[in-house]
Amino acid sequence: EAGVAQSPRYKIIEKRQSVAFWCNPISGHATLYWYQQILGQGPKLLIQFQNNGVVDDSQLPKDRFSAERLKGVDSTLKIQPAKLEDSAVYLCASSFNYGYTFGSGTRLTVV
Amino acid sequence: GNSVTQMEGPVTLSEEAFLTINCTYTATGYPSLFWYVQYPGEGLQLLLKATKADDKGSNKGFEATYRKETTSFHLEKGSVQVSDSAVYFCALGTYTDKLIFGTGTRLQVFP
Repeated sequence: EAGVAQSPRYKIIEKRQSVAFWCNPISGHATLYWYQQILGQGPKLLIQFQNNGVVDDSQLPKDRFSAERLKGVDSTLKIQPAKLEDSAVYLCASSFNYGYTFGSGTRLTVV
Repeated sequence: GNSVTQMEGPVTLSEEAFLTINCTYTATGYPSLFWYVQYPGEGLQLLLKATKADDKGSNKGFEATYRKETTSFHLEKGSVQVSDSAVYFCALGTYTDKLIFGTGTRLQVFP
């Protein structure tokens, strides 16, 4: 079974620039998550999708972050404009029947 | 609300020592409980899980028992190896199918 695919693996941008991350979940997994993991902390849920609908986006900073999941498969997370405090690893995960699988993440550095 | 509290690290042990990493939780309803491991430079991997009270999860010599009376899910291993050096995250799965993580505990094992 293929895992959760994420790209890019690394990204360095200047503050106020925009950036987008892509995630392809495990085939058949209806639920998809984006987490933010700041260095030294546990992952924090940003948004949860069920198919192509949003279940929970209460912790997503909506003034700068957006996410979509077209056709209930792939998803993109965008930050515009980026701030220094957005430097983190962005993890995508998918689940089926309470079994969660994580991608390798995208490490974002904002300078 | 739902939350997870882990003991702060780093935990430093000699090879073959006994390991305990404490985890307690606060939750509404009856959550599932998980331990994830993150090796240096790698993504999150599920180590073990338990879905109901008194269940014991086990994998690779690690064990944790779901204790509802003490709201705990402590991770134990009888004899650690250098290769166990990593960051360990305790997490709970809510009835809305999302994972909430603790802050992580770094384990360092020396030969």
